[in-house]
Amino acid sequence: AQTVTQSQPEMSVQEAETVTLSCTYDTSESNYYLFWYKQPPSRQMILVIRQEAYKQQNATENRFSVNFQKAAKSFSLKISDSQLGDTAMYFCAFMIYNQGGKLIFGQGTELSVKP
Amino acid sequence: DTAVSQTPKYLVTQMGNDKSIKCEQNLGHDTMYWYKQDSKKFLKIMFSYNNKELIINETVPNRFSPKSPDKAHLNLHINSLELGDSAVYFCASSQAFRGAQGNEKLFFGSGTQLSVL
Repeated sequence: AQTVTQSQPEMSVQEAETVTLSCTYDTSESNYYLFWYKQPPSRQMILVIRQEAYKQQNATENRFSVNFQKAAKSFSLKISDSQLGDTAMYFCAFMIYNQGGKLIFGQGTELSVKP
Repeated sequence: DTAVSQTPKYLVTQMGNDKSIKCEQNLGHDTMYWYKQDSKKFLKIMFSYNNKELIINETVPNRFSPKSPDKAHLNLHINSLELGDSAVYFCASSQAFRGAQGNEKLFFGSGTQLSVL
C-alpha cells in the first residue's frame, strides 16, 4: 500500500524563526514525485514545492526547502524566516510517475505562526 | 481569470436530494480530477478524466457520477445525498496524466463545501 504519514498534527513557530515539518511515505515504486501543498483558511490548495525522486539535490523555493532522504523515504519541509502568512495546513503528497495524476496525501500538519 | 473554477462554493442541502457541482478549467489541460476532503481534512482522489475519458475511479459509491461534456469541463453529480457526503470537493486539472515532465503539476479549484443536513 502507498501511504504518506505526517506525524505532527499541529505545530507553532514564532515569526521570523525556522520550522521543519516531517513527512514519511511508503511505496515500492522508484519513479515518483513528492510535493508539499499549503492550504490556508481560504481553502485554496497551493503548491509550495516539488521534488522529483530521481534527483538527489533538494528542491528549494525561496524560504521553503526540503530534505529528501530517498532511502529513508523521508521528505521534510523547512520554512525559514516564518511569516504570519505561512499560517496554514500543510500537506505532504506523492504521485507515482505515469499513473494518472493521482496524488496520495498525508493527514496534514496545521502550522501557526505567532507574532 | 480563474484557472480552475468551481460552482457553487457552498452547497447546503437535505439528505436524499440530488445535487451537482460544476467545474471548468481555462488552461487547455487534457486531464481533470475530483478530490474529496473529509471533515478531518484528509484529501483523497475520487475520479480523473483524460480528454473526456474516465481514467481513475477510486471505488466511489455509484451515487457519485462524474460527467465530462468536453475536456474543459468535469461536473460531479451526486444522487440521494447522505450525511457522510458532507465534505469539501475539489476539482483540479493537469496538462496530461502521464508522460512529459510537468504533467504532474495539478491546479486546484477553490473547493465546494457540501453540507448535508
